[in-house]
Amino acid sequence: NAGVTQTPKFRVLKTGQSMTLLCAQDMNHEYMYWYRQDPGMGLRLIHYSVGEGTTAKGEVPDGYNVSRLKKQNFLLGLESAAPSQTSVYFCASSYDEQAIYGYTFGSGTRLTVV
Amino acid sequence: GENVEQHPSTLSVQEGDSAVIKCTYSDSASNYFPWYKQELGKRPQLIIDIRSNVGEKKDQRIAVTLNKTAKHFSLHITETQPEDSAVYFCAANPWSSASKIIFGSGTRLSIRP
Repeated sequence: NAGVTQTPKFRVLKTGQSMTLLCAQDMNHEYMYWYRQDPGMGLRLIHYSVGEGTTAKGEVPDGYNVSRLKKQNFLLGLESAAPSQTSVYFCASSYDEQAIYGYTFGSGTRLTVV
Repeated sequence: GENVEQHPSTLSVQEGDSAVIKCTYSDSASNYFPWYKQELGKRPQLIIDIRSNVGEKKDQRIAVTLNKTAKHFSLHITETQPEDSAVYFCAANPWSSASKIIFGSGTRLSIRP
């Protein structure tokens, strides 16, 4: 059982380039999330989804877009990367709204924008 | 929106001593307060959580207390061991919804041998 899988694990982008981060979960979870982690700032919610076909903005959505076309996948897109988007990105999922089993996190994607 | 503040940002304790990490939240409607542990280079993992209908919860050496009136909650680790060294995050759910949680800024806990 893989849990939550993120690809890629590392990426270096030039300013202005675009890319998509993929998050896949095999636990049949309804809820999925994208967080970014920066030193001294903890985990900040970018976007989240409460089910297939839905998305919503979190704390820091600017510069990012997301899609949830299939229940098991949650994609995070950067249309025009900026150095301020250098960060570690974590995807997470939860079974239901009550998060009875907590959030399951992926292993993270370290993105550097130069 | 919900704001979760966490203190201290770094904490160093002698092995065997206790460690306490404190968090405050702003949304009085919040009712779910999880704690996550993140070891170096690893993903965050849930270690304990508490819901607003209880004031304290224990799991072996870890305990969490909640004071809803004061809007603060704390993580207590007793008899600390080297494997407790990690970054700990508290979190709370805004608007009573567990469909998303807001994290504190984290506490880096170091256990001195």
